[in-house]
Amino acid sequence: QKEVEQNSGPLSVPEGAIASLNCTYSDRGSQSFFWYRQYSGKSPELIMSIYSNGDKEDGRFTAQLNKASQYVSLLIRDSQPSDSATYLCAVRGSGTYKYIFGTGTRLKVLA
Amino acid sequence: EAGVVQSPRYKIIEKKQPVAFWCNPISGHNTLYWYLQNLGQGPELLIRYENEEAVDDSQLPKDRFSAERLKGVDSTLKIQPAELGDSAVYLCASSKGLGQGNTEAFFGQGTRLTVV
Repeated sequence: QKEVEQNSGPLSVPEGAIASLNCTYSDRGSQSFFWYRQYSGKSPELIMSIYSNGDKEDGRFTAQLNKASQYVSLLIRDSQPSDSATYLCAVRGSGTYKYIFGTGTRLKVLA
Repeated sequence: EAGVVQSPRYKIIEKKQPVAFWCNPISGHNTLYWYLQNLGQGPELLIRYENEEAVDDSQLPKDRFSAERLKGVDSTLKIQPAELGDSAVYLCASSKGLGQGNTEAFFGQGTRLTVV
């Protein structure tokens, strides 16, 4: 089992729809969770961080964390073609500053 | 505030040649990471520094890779000799260190290495 798992996609959604990206992790003691956006040929850009169970909203983005289920998700409302990118889930393990990344989910927003 | 700065952006070398990458982290960030990213994969940690100390280098192929972070600021990652399989993007990231607050890591632009 991989430490951080994501569906590689591509996930295709029409413009204006809600895109839902999911991530599961294996280290139950993980403390911090991050979503990065990576455009083709560019480096990862941090878009959301979440540290406690529940939802965290920032503009069109909502991160959701459920530590009991070891599950973190990212919702993108009113998806735009400019949101088309690969979204990387990263998890910081317990007692460490080591970030483990998933392989990323490729999102396509269709105009 | 300036972000993480890496150089060069691109590097093409012949196999068996040496290569070095440089990283300047965000000011005040004590933690520095070097990641390797292959196409279609997530970043994989090579080495992590807390100030000058390499605290996690278990994934660094020490027979050919070396890194240093003198004075706890800039860092250099070196490969000698380079192999064809080293072709990848090398990413540097930094974050605040232990006890400094949130642990968000920010990436530089990366160095795309091609070994021919």
